[in-house]
Amino acid sequence: DGGITQSPKYLFRKEGQNVTLSCEQNLNHDAMYWYRQDPGQGLRLIYYSQIVNDFQKGDIAEGYSVSREKKESFPLTVTSAQKNPTAFYLCASSINLAASYEQYFGPGTRLTVT
Amino acid sequence: GQNIDQPTEMTATEGAIVQINCTYQTSGFNGLFWYQQHAGEAPTFLSYNVLDGLEEKGRFSSFLSRSKGYSYLLLKELQMKDSASYLCAVRDGPGGFKTIFGAGTRLFVKA
Repeated sequence: DGGITQSPKYLFRKEGQNVTLSCEQNLNHDAMYWYRQDPGQGLRLIYYSQIVNDFQKGDIAEGYSVSREKKESFPLTVTSAQKNPTAFYLCASSINLAASYEQYFGPGTRLTVT
Repeated sequence: GQNIDQPTEMTATEGAIVQINCTYQTSGFNGLFWYQQHAGEAPTFLSYNVLDGLEEKGRFSSFLSRSKGYSYLLLKELQMKDSASYLCAVRDGPGGFKTIFGAGTRLFVKA
């Protein structure tokens, strides 16, 4: 079955620690995205990548970093510089950037930082 | 600025029809789409409108008026499983790909 996986589903960290959220897809999609979802707000774009070894900042990239060493994988690191990291994080992919109207989302990771 | 407005919550009865409205103000426009998101789960794609008019897909229909910056999602023959959030999103344009999401409308379907 093709799809996107994110792990873990729930993640707890202490303030000041970096944490990496994984995202893997076997859909053979070129484009991948990371969003953050907070209560009462729409999804906000953190980073996106249109091809291996390329990625671009979205609207709220500060305090986050990504890598795209393989087509299938697009991990997101939440650094200690991110002032309000507790949120629901969603990874998505699409065939390419032009087809971003139809994104396939992973199940999400709910990160809690105390 | 970029803004997408949709009602926060709606309640409807099983078997009825409900219309969820969305208005948008964006610097560009390259399509509008709707996603469904059950609580704690990932959004799933429902529909995509790039031209004015109505797109029908089973029990779900989506309408777009670009001149009015307006769309609606129509759900017919409501079922309990339709209880979810419905996200309106606009892709920036021209030729853009960046997607701006609304905060979503939580729909409660009651028996």
